[in-house]
Amino acid sequence: DVKVTQSSRYLVKRTGEKVFLECVQDMDHENMFWYRQDPGLGLRLIYFSYDVKMKEKGDIPEGYSVSREKKERFSLILESASTNQTSMYLCASTGRLGDYGYTFGSGTRLTVV
Amino acid sequence: AQSVTQLDSQVPVFEEAPVELRCNYSSSVSVYLFWYVQYPNQGLQLLLKYLSGSTLVKGINGFEAEFNKSQTSFHLRKPSVHISDTAEYFCAVTNSGAGSYQLTFGKGTKLSVIP
Repeated sequence: DVKVTQSSRYLVKRTGEKVFLECVQDMDHENMFWYRQDPGLGLRLIYFSYDVKMKEKGDIPEGYSVSREKKERFSLILESASTNQTSMYLCASTGRLGDYGYTFGSGTRLTVV
Repeated sequence: AQSVTQLDSQVPVFEEAPVELRCNYSSSVSVYLFWYVQYPNQGLQLLLKYLSGSTLVKGINGFEAEFNKSQTSFHLRKPSVHISDTAEYFCAVTNSGAGSYQLTFGKGTKLSVIP
């Protein structure tokens, strides 16, 4: 079964900490995405990557950065966590959209205190 | 660029009643359309998709959707809902051109099934 694995289901961090969210896919997909999900706002795209070492800003990149050193791994970095970054973070990947659309990870619920 | 509007943010329905979740899209080119479901504290999983061919698409868990090009809609339906269908549902669109890899999502509809 194809999978996107997010390293943590729940995280609690302190304001100002540097936070790493990891995402790994085993489908050899070129394209990977990070979203945050907040009540009433739906899914908002933070960053995406269409190839190793390539990245593109999404709709809300401020306060975040990403790293993609290997095809299967896409990391989201909160440089200095703030309380307004408390959210559900979802990673997704896709090869050809017509095959499966996106495959999503289970999500990481991050709380910044 | 595409956009997706899910007309209802919340839909309550009694168990065993039928339900329709509405989705309208905007695009100047041919599209692929998707419905995803998200159970509490989980990621999204694919319910069904429309790529081409028959406009009536059947998915998992007894759901189906109908693509209507003239009305630019892709409404999701189920004839009889179960408690376990309580979840949030997302409609998504992308253009069908080669090389397209980015989905545009609606804001979601929360379906609450009442016993």
